[in-house]
Amino acid sequence: DTAVSQTPKYLVTQMGNDKSIKCEQNLGHDTMYWYKQDSKKFLKIMFSYNNKELIINETVPNRFSPKSPDKAHLNLHINSLELGDSAVYFCASSPRQGSLYGYTFGSGTRLTVV
Amino acid sequence: GQNIDQPTEMTATEGAIVQINCTYQTSGFNGLFWYQQHAGEAPTFLSYNVLDGLEEKGRFSSFLSRSKGYSYLLLKELQMKDSASYLCAVRDVATGGSYIPTFGRGTSLIVHP
Repeated sequence: DTAVSQTPKYLVTQMGNDKSIKCEQNLGHDTMYWYKQDSKKFLKIMFSYNNKELIINETVPNRFSPKSPDKAHLNLHINSLELGDSAVYFCASSPRQGSLYGYTFGSGTRLTVV
Repeated sequence: GQNIDQPTEMTATEGAIVQINCTYQTSGFNGLFWYQQHAGEAPTFLSYNVLDGLEEKGRFSSFLSRSKGYSYLLLKELQMKDSASYLCAVRDVATGGSYIPTFGRGTSLIVHP
């Protein structure tokens, strides 16, 4: 059983399209996150949810909208995709905010906008 | 916020020891993580330091000096499979109380025979 699973693993789409990435964790964790890793491997926090509630929303264009239907799921919807959105998007979870044991990351979604 | 600095790339020989340094500046330090990331894969948790000193875990050890804003990851008896990127991440209690770590850009370690 995969602890944190994301779908799809690869996503190639045209500029202007709308797409979603799904994330599910079966660890019973309270907190989930979306990170973006750009071509220079810089891993940057985008959003954090704790028990379905948004707690962190970094400087991210409002074309990105996270949705958490329950604490095991955190999906990411992106409207009007742009070339600069091309990156690897990682979902992660932790037992709670401020967990000492780090995060468990999903395997990533490589988004390519053409 | 945090300012995290680590070398971009390092090379080492199989069987050797390598030390990857990380320096940081933060207004309210609340812990430092090290993650390993193989190419095309997710980062995996290696270690966590919040107090000064050395934490040892098998071939990997992590050291922290809060007064110097400095940490290192020490890898012993290097194996080819240790070729990966090593990410330093610092948690700042001042980040709105959210305890979200900020990641450095990572150090790409290449182990050769």
